[in-house]
Parts: sequence; structure tokens; C-alpha cells
Amino acid sequence: EVQVLESGGGLVQPGESLTLSCAVSGFPFINFAITWFRQPPGKGLEWVSTVSATGTKTYHADSVQGRFTVSKDTSKNTVYLQMETLRVEDTAVYYCARDDGLSYFDYWGPGTLVTVSS
Amino acid sequence: EIVLTQSPATLSLSPGERATLSCRASEYLTNYLAWYQQKPGQAPRLLIYDAFKRATGTPPRFSGSGSGTDFTLTISNLEPEDFAVYYCQQRANWPRLTFGGGTKVEIK
Repeated sequence: EVQVLESGGGLVQPGESLTLSCAVSGFPFINFAITWFRQPPGKGLEWVSTVSATGTKTYHADSVQGRFTVSKDTSKNTVYLQMETLRVEDTAVYYCARDDGLSYFDYWGPGTLVTVSS
Repeated sequence: EIVLTQSPATLSLSPGERATLSCRASEYLTNYLAWYQQKPGQAPRLLIYDAFKRATGTPPRFSGSGSGTDFTLTISNLEPEDFAVYYCQQRANWPRLTFGGGTKVEIK
């Protein structure tokens, strides 16, 4: 059974850092890219970052470029999203999802809430 | 950035009725479009990909159509569990994926 589970969310102040984790199981981790999305409270979905299947290539939305870093630890079946210099507008539920190979997303975690507030 | 515009924002219907949701793209997508369903407090669920292909487990009452810039999700014979928010997502401009603003299907 495929499982995806995010962790690491919480309340931080503007300018602070936070690292989210995405633990996966039930499929060959090295064969699938993983993507982070976010959803501000009551709003729509936004693509944040993608790490390739092998972990050698990463991509970030312009809104987080230079502040967020995505990485993959194949020994732990875990993807990380390092978030620095957080802003109030980064407040959202963050989801990680498995890329099905066609850049659609067939398995999602339940999400973790990040709140940036003073 | 490819902008996806969904309409209507809200659709008020009764169980058993037919729902027709629209997604219009600012650029040509070929058929690189998916539809997701999201219920309160839950993650999105993939329903349709490549415009018309049903994902594993998607009931046949859900159907997708369209190509280019205009796409439609149709839910025939609405079931109580179908009342939710629906999002379209494009992959034509990968990795810069974008979603539409969503259509809420609510009980009339």
C-alpha cells in the first residue's frame, strides 16, 4: 500500500526557517519524482517545488526560489523541503505528492500546516 | 505562466442531477490536463488525467473532455459524496504546473 506522510509544520515568526519532511512507502522511491504543493487557508492550490526521481534535479516556483530547497534522501525514503526567510504569505497547508510519471499526482499526503505570524 | 480559469465558481445542484464544470487555459495545452476532487480537510484526489482518462478508482459517472484550451468535467447523476471542490491542473508547462481556482459543487 502506498503511503505518503508530511511532518514538520508549525508556527514560526517571519524571517525564521522550518524544514518539512515527506516520508513515503509502498513503491520504489527512486523511480518517482516528488512534488510539494501548498494551499493557503480557504484558497486554491499552488505548485512549490519538485525533486526528480533520482534526486539530482530540483525545481522551484518563482515565489520561493532562493528561499526554499527540496531534497531527496533515498536511504530514508524521505523528501525534505527546507524553508528559509519565511513570510506571512507562506502560510498554508503543505502537501507532498507522488508524480505518476506524467506529471499528474496520484498519491498525496494529508498535509502539514505552516503558519507564519508574529 | 499558464492561467487556468474555472467556471462557474459555485454550482448548486441536487443529487441525481448532472454537473458540467469548465476549465479554460490561457495557452494551448494539447490534452495535458487533469481534474482533482478535494473535500474539506482532505488532500486532492486525482480523477481524470490527459483530459479524458479516468484514474484508478474513478467511477464512470465522471468523464472529461476537451483539448487545446477548453476542457470540461462532467459528473452525471450526482451522488452525495460528489459534493466537493474540483480543480483542473495543467502539465503542458512542466515544471511550472498550475491549477485553476476551483469549482465548488454544493447541494441545492
